[in-house]
Amino acid sequence: GAGVSQTPSNKVTEKGKYVELRCDPISGHTALYWYRQSLGQGPEFLIYFQGTGAADDSGLPNDRFFAVRPEGSVSTLKIQRTERGDSAVYLCASSPSGQGIYNEQFFGPGTRLTVL
Amino acid sequence: ILNVEQSPQSLHVQEGDSTNFTCSFPSSNFYALHWYRWETAKSPEALFVMTLNGDEKKKGRISATLNTKEGYSYLYIKGSQPEDSATYLCALSNQAGTALIFGKGTTLSVSS
Repeated sequence: GAGVSQTPSNKVTEKGKYVELRCDPISGHTALYWYRQSLGQGPEFLIYFQGTGAADDSGLPNDRFFAVRPEGSVSTLKIQRTERGDSAVYLCASSPSGQGIYNEQFFGPGTRLTVL
Repeated sequence: ILNVEQSPQSLHVQEGDSTNFTCSFPSSNFYALHWYRWETAKSPEALFVMTLNGDEKKKGRISATLNTKEGYSYLYIKGSQPEDSATYLCALSNQAGTALIFGKGTTLSVSS
């Protein structure tokens, strides 16, 4: 079956612009996660959705970052007034059920964001 | 703050060599440990979820062990092949089970 997909695969933008990154999880997966990997670092947690609601947004770095999942499937990560430090690979993952320390997360290939 | 350390940062081996790398974590903050393999231009792929002290898991030529009392996990690859070239990531679950906390990874390169 289809895995997690993310679009676009690459995004180049200018400092100060607004960007949206999209994630299509595996069909039927209720849990969805966003991470970002900056150069030389491991993936860093941003936000976790259970269904339509953001159950844990403790990883969002500031109020320029926002994510939605209005119908409990596709999610969009939105970044306002982009800064050069936002350049990273943004990863999305999904899992079949709700929060749980044993849950395997299925990752997409990521969106590489470059802010000039 | 939960800190996950991986070593070495990178290594290069010849085809057929066996190798291993380490994931270290605070033993007081352990709930579950996940190993992932991330090949260039692909999605990270789950290898193992480990939960109990003394756990050993195996998938083909790859195996992993877990010591929660001393706070480390080892990943072993027996008879490395070029297709094993990837970054291997270790991650801990947070207490709530809502997030994974990743190390920086070990990048393995296998030459034929």
